Amino acid sequence: NAGVTQTPKFQVLKTGQSMTLQCAQDMNHNSMYWYRQDPGMGLRLIYYSASEGTTDKGEVPNGYNVSRLNKREFSLRLESAAPSQTSVYFCASSAVKNTEAFFGQGTRLTVV
Amino acid sequence: GIQVEQSPPDLILQEGANSTLRCNFSDSVNNLQWFHQNPWGQLINLFYIPSGTKQNGRLSATTVATERYSLLYISSSQTTDSGVYFCAVEEGGSYIPTFGRGTSLIVHP
Repeated sequence: NAGVTQTPKFQVLKTGQSMTLQCAQDMNHNSMYWYRQDPGMGLRLIYYSASEGTTDKGEVPNGYNVSRLNKREFSLRLESAAPSQTSVYFCASSAVKNTEAFFGQGTRLTVV
Repeated sequence: GIQVEQSPPDLILQEGANSTLRCNFSDSVNNLQWFHQNPWGQLINLFYIPSGTKQNGRLSATTVATERYSLLYISSSQTTDSGVYFCAVEEGGSYIPTFGRGTSLIVHP
């Protein structure tokens, strides 16, 4: 059982380049999330999708876009990467609200 | 939004020692989870505990929702317990797990 799968695991971008982080879950969960983790800051929510077809901004959405492609997949796009977006990105999913959330292994992104 | 505070921020132990980690939150919650982030960065679910007490081996957790705190107990600590422990809460009406800044634990042999 794969759970939550993120790709890629590592990525280096030049300032101004674009890329999409992919996330897929095989647990038939309704809700999916994207977080970023910076040293000393814990995890901060970028965007979330409460159900297929809906997306909403979290605490730090600037510079990002998301797509809930279907119930399984939730992608995060950086249109023009900036050094401030250097971080570790985590995708997560949960069945409905008030249930346990499960996390992917993370994507370590460096923008130079 | 809800505020989540974890203490202590850092903790250093000798193998075999016991410890208590605390998570305070500023409003009522419908959901609370404890995670362990291992040295490889993976987030591992420890407990889903919106209220009450649960135990899993050497780890146990208690959430007192009416007083807005949760405690994670680690007994007979081992070097493999090292890492960062996060508390995440979901306030009423929200779909969003909100994280504290974590407690960094180092267990020396």
